[in-house]
Amino acid sequence: SQQGEEDPQALSIQEGENATMNCSYKTSINNLQWYRQNSGRGLVHLILIRSNEREKHSGRLRVTLDTSKKSSSLLITASRAADTASYFCATEPGYALNFGKGTSLLVTP
Amino acid sequence: GAVVSQHPSRVICKSGTSVKIECRSLDFQATTMFWYRQFPKQSLMLMATSNEGSKATYEQGVEKDKFLINHASLTLSTLTVTSAHPEDSSFYICSARGTWGQETQYFGPGTRLLVL
Repeated sequence: SQQGEEDPQALSIQEGENATMNCSYKTSINNLQWYRQNSGRGLVHLILIRSNEREKHSGRLRVTLDTSKKSSSLLITASRAADTASYFCATEPGYALNFGKGTSLLVTP
Repeated sequence: GAVVSQHPSRVICKSGTSVKIECRSLDFQATTMFWYRQFPKQSLMLMATSNEGSKATYEQGVEKDKFLINHASLTLSTLTVTSAHPEDSSFYICSARGTWGQETQYFGPGTRLLVL
């Protein structure tokens, strides 16, 4: 069953703006991961944050994790048109990944 | 980096036929591979977990006799959709986890199946 829930479901911004996506989950986790999917393509792993970490950076990406609220956020700074994609959070309560419903991000020039 | 391939990338078949999808880890060995299904504008849903040399573990609601999974080697898992019907039309994605037990799963590019 799906554990993560992202919001917003869809987000439209202009190039240069920041995009923030949120993810909530239900059970305890060892880590939380964020993936990106371009339309009709496979998934690309973006970043993994462990349960004992609160914040992590990778290039223009910043991920936060609040285990007390069971939530995470993905911030993309200075967005580009090429960032247009769907973004999914995923948790791993067992051995396989449970994906959220995803946020569809549209970045317009 | 670790690369996972899938073949074919797209397949169109007639209702009632069977379709085999291959998932290969190209530069690493994978003891465990996962099969997901994704309907349009929806998230990925785990179908089954495939372990090399043993039977696959299917998620609730996934028919094991309809979706046959074979994980014959550490680099290859196959998913066969038997007697396909139009409602089986979907995007099938596999992922693999390396034998070194790392946390990250590597995803294949997906296979688009259209059953007419």
